[in-house]
Amino acid sequence: GAGVSQSPSNKVTEKGKDVELRCDPISGHTALYWYRQSLGQGLEFLIYFQGNSAPDKSGLPSDRFSAERTGGSVSTLTIQRTQQEDSAVYLCASSLGTGVTGYTFGSGTRLTVV
Amino acid sequence: AQSVTQPDIHITVSEGASLELRCNYSYGATPYLFWYVQSPGQGLQLLLKYFSGDTLVQGIKGFEAEFKRSQSSFNLRKPSVHWSDAAEYFCAVGVSSNTGKLIFGQGTTLQVKP
Repeated sequence: GAGVSQSPSNKVTEKGKDVELRCDPISGHTALYWYRQSLGQGLEFLIYFQGNSAPDKSGLPSDRFSAERTGGSVSTLTIQRTQQEDSAVYLCASSLGTGVTGYTFGSGTRLTVV
Repeated sequence: AQSVTQPDIHITVSEGASLELRCNYSYGATPYLFWYVQSPGQGLQLLLKYFSGDTLVQGIKGFEAEFKRSQSSFNLRKPSVHWSDAAEYFCAVGVSSNTGKLIFGQGTTLQVKP
């Protein structure tokens, strides 16, 4: 597509429930990133996918967080047993190659855990 | 560890006035440096980037930034601010050419007075 698409744009969930956030990157972009933006905070790196390589999961805050990327395109970030501290905007970005040329970000998913 | 500091959390300038947003980084090698802008409810948009060469880089929307190795700084400037520039600005450093992972500063919120 023309840009990075994220869905849903907003998600309200009850504490303890699982949520799935979706990212559809720009066609042809081999690199895909997930970041988390909490209120008043900068962006926190979560996970990085590059082609068929093993993902860099070093930023995932706990084992409740996981992500996959199917067919080198769409990615899903899953948060199990959500907690209130998971409330944040989850941003996806994609790029050509390794991404040092800069990312294209999606508009994000605002997750609220009540 | 690599880090990015944006000393000013909030800045207010009058429309037509000049602007400088500060960014300092901590990184051992020559960094890849970026400025992104985030308008309310939007994803982040790349303003400009520095990899090597000329230390003064031009970006979109009339912005420029200067890399100063001796000061570990990459400050963003604009000669004359427009009301539409009101947004949050993030400085970021790329720590590896292999991953494209970025470390972001906490952001600076720019308010423009009429």
